[in-house]
Amino acid sequence: DTAVSQTPKYLVTQMGNDKSIKCEQNLGHDTMYWYKQDSKKFLKIMFSYNNKELIINETVPNRFSPKSPDKAHLNLHINSLELGDSAVYFCASSQARSYGYTFGSGTRLTVV
Amino acid sequence: GQQLNQSPQSMFIQEGEDVSMNCTSSSIFNTWLWYKQDPGEGPVLLIALYKAGELTSNGRLTAQFGITRKDSFLNISASIPSDVGIYFCAGPKTSYDKVIFGPGTSLSVIP
Repeated sequence: DTAVSQTPKYLVTQMGNDKSIKCEQNLGHDTMYWYKQDSKKFLKIMFSYNNKELIINETVPNRFSPKSPDKAHLNLHINSLELGDSAVYFCASSQARSYGYTFGSGTRLTVV
Repeated sequence: GQQLNQSPQSMFIQEGEDVSMNCTSSSIFNTWLWYKQDPGEGPVLLIALYKAGELTSNGRLTAQFGITRKDSFLNISASIPSDVGIYFCAGPKTSYDKVIFGPGTSLSVIP
């Protein structure tokens, strides 16, 4: 059983399209995150949800909208995709105030 | 803003050699974390450090929380090919802060 699973693993799409990435965790954690890893491998936090409530919202374009239907799921919807959105997006989860994050295996988004 | 620096940026070593890498910040951290990312995978937590001066081992890996609370070190002894990957230091400045990641040290092991 995969602890944090993301779908799809690869996503190639044209500029201007809208796409979603899904994330599910079966660890019983109450906090979930989205990180973006750029081409230089730098990891930057985008969002964090605790029990379905948004607690961290970094300076991310409002074309990115996270949605957490329950504490086991955190999806990321991206509108009007741009070339600069190409990156690997990682979902992660943890118990509140624990820094031992469990990461998914990432979604490689390529915008052409 | 908050920033972590890691050195070296990349390393190429012979199998069997020991490895040392470090992480520094201009700000004090309360917790230091070391993660490893294998190619095509997400980062995996290796070691967590919670007190200044703490020295913690995990197999061939040893990490230390610097006395000044502004740095941390990771050592790998007797490297093997599966040690290849990117090693990230990370941490929250306070108990309630988000975890930020350093830029990583890329390790290559030559058999």
